[in-house]
Amino acid sequence: TQLLEQSPQFLSIQEGENLTVYCNSSSVFSSLQWYRQEPGEGPVLLVTVVTGGEVKKLKRLTFQFGDARKDSSLHITAAQPGDTGLYLCAGVPFGNEKLTFGTGTRLTIIP
Amino acid sequence: DAGVIQSPRHEVTEMGQEVTLRCKPISGHNSLFWYRQTMMRGLELLIYFNNNVPIDDSGMPEDRFSAKMPNASFSTLKIQPSEPRDSAVYFCASARVAGVFFGEGSRLTVL
Repeated sequence: TQLLEQSPQFLSIQEGENLTVYCNSSSVFSSLQWYRQEPGEGPVLLVTVVTGGEVKKLKRLTFQFGDARKDSSLHITAAQPGDTGLYLCAGVPFGNEKLTFGTGTRLTIIP
Repeated sequence: DAGVIQSPRHEVTEMGQEVTLRCKPISGHNSLFWYRQTMMRGLELLIYFNNNVPIDDSGMPEDRFSAKMPNASFSTLKIQPSEPRDSAVYFCASARVAGVFFGEGSRLTVL
């Protein structure tokens, strides 16, 4: 059973467009992390959000943690070909370190 | 600083053979995770250790899988006997408060 559902599963857009990726769960998490994975490599941590309602920005990427700590979104402004990759959210439950990954969003930015 | 080091990077073996995957976590990290990634099931947590002690192995598929962490700088994941459905990329990751860091993975193909 997948605790974290991401949408869309696949997304292909033109360079310069904006996009949002969603990560939803029925479970409450103490924190939520976003990773990007490129072919042949392991996932790389982008950000950790720990407070309900928290918004963090990383250059053109904006991450938000839902007020109820059950969901999160990743918004990319003016997408670049270098943003292409598999984006994964991962939740950390209260009381342990069992990091559980979402289903992933495979993003392709067309030059 | 060296990241998480995994070996081998690629392994091709025949059904029934024993497979041992190795991981050297980042020095000073006190948590270690083993994940398996496939197209169908995404990233699945197999087991994680804290201070060399297995905390949660509920993701280990069956008795054919075993993991050990004899000291803070080394862990192994063993599959015996291997089956074609075990074909996947196996990731080791280590963590401290700052976040989780993944190795480059071991791609296993069981014929």
